[in-house]
Amino acid sequence: AQSVTQLGSHVSVSEGALVLLRCNYSSSVPPYLFWYVQYPNQGLQLLLKYTSAATLVKGINGFEAEFKKSETSFHLTKPSAHMSDAAEYFCAVSDHGSSNTGKLIFGQGTTLQVKP
Amino acid sequence: EAGVTQFPSHSVIEKGQTVTLRCDPISGHDNLYWYRRVMGKEIKFLLHFVKESKQDESGMPNNRFLAERTGGTYSTLKVQPAELEDSGVYFCASSQFRLAGDLTSYNEQFFGPGTRLTVL
Repeated sequence: AQSVTQLGSHVSVSEGALVLLRCNYSSSVPPYLFWYVQYPNQGLQLLLKYTSAATLVKGINGFEAEFKKSETSFHLTKPSAHMSDAAEYFCAVSDHGSSNTGKLIFGQGTTLQVKP
Repeated sequence: EAGVTQFPSHSVIEKGQTVTLRCDPISGHDNLYWYRRVMGKEIKFLLHFVKESKQDESGMPNNRFLAERTGGTYSTLKVQPAELEDSGVYFCASSQFRLAGDLTSYNEQFFGPGTRLTVL
């Protein structure tokens, strides 16, 4: 069975600083991994996804994530935080095993605060 | 192209009442998913439709929840009777059809803004 753990429910960085949001996963099949972002009063928006191609995945708004199988991690990074990055971020793994439903299993979410 | 829409955006009801949530997926998307986030917890899968058929309803909490997708277009999620623990945000997502057993592709799920349900 798949599961996702996001370390840190709240992360605070200064504008211009590095953003690092941590995600570890557990999966019985080669995982498909995702990062979603939710801005206030909006739905979840896909930031980036890993589906067994390149291990370093680039997404929208300058975010990227690296799939590390040995560490079962898929941490999200951005070199320089902007005020507009303040939101809640969700790491997820897809259940695409025998059931093949494609449902997503989410982590607990990390709220990113960006200080001026 | 319109995204996934959900109605209502907020609903406040009394315990024991009935509430129906609606989701309109992106046109042409055969897959429709319902998820729920209870306050302080992670977003959890409820069920999955492929067209009008329930593919997986393993996440439905109990028989007070009934989901339908007549005609394979929009979907409704009815809670009857509502209990306090049903409060949370209900998300709907849709994606294009993927062939069964095709593990080499992935169809992105597009999410709606959610319906915030408060049961008093």
